[in-house]
Amino acid sequence: DADVTQTPRNRITKTGKRIMLECSQTKGHDRMYWYRQDPGLGLRLIYYSFDVKDINKGEISDGYSVSRQAQAKFSLSLESAIPNQTALYFCATSGSEETQYFGPGTRLLVL
Amino acid sequence: AQSVTQLGSHVSVSEGALVLLRCNYSSSVPPYLFWYVQYPNQGLQLLLKYTSAATLVKGINGFEAEFKKSETSFHLTKPSAHMSDAAEYFCAVSPPHTGRRALTFGSGTRLQVQP
Repeated sequence: DADVTQTPRNRITKTGKRIMLECSQTKGHDRMYWYRQDPGLGLRLIYYSFDVKDINKGEISDGYSVSRQAQAKFSLSLESAIPNQTALYFCATSGSEETQYFGPGTRLLVL
Repeated sequence: AQSVTQLGSHVSVSEGALVLLRCNYSSSVPPYLFWYVQYPNQGLQLLLKYTSAATLVKGINGFEAEFKKSETSFHLTKPSAHMSDAAEYFCAVSPPHTGRRALTFGSGTRLQVQP
């Protein structure tokens, strides 16, 4: 089984809808991250959490919110989706060493 | 603030040729540096990382990278390209020794390997 899982893997939604992307990990890591990937822009950090009670905004947090329900779960919400939030979203985790481990991604299309 | 610049959004090489993917960083102190690879329809996988130990770092699949402080570079190389190396490669940087790290990624370089 994969160490970092993301659900759903693909999602199509309409402008104005609220959606949630979920991430779970079995690596026992304290740190979790949400990134979005857009062609030609690489990955940009949305939010990150160093433990259950510590959540921080990344460089592009506007229009997003997160919830760290447990050490193993970190959810990303789009309160009112807009077309320019169409992207590939990745969750990642890391432990005491610096390497981040990525999930398979969620492809989101906002119509 | 730290940043990463990857020169060349697309690189094409012939099978068996040298692979060179360029990465330059900007940081007020020597950072930690990473190369990740993304195969089609997959997440990112760590190739190698520099964390202030040896400046020449060897990674998986025959890749290596050399940290050059004087040039603020961390270029990725492989002596002989294989068709399976076709993927997108990302250089990333994080501040060292802070205990609270988030990665800053470059914009990526897509490697194409011609038969």
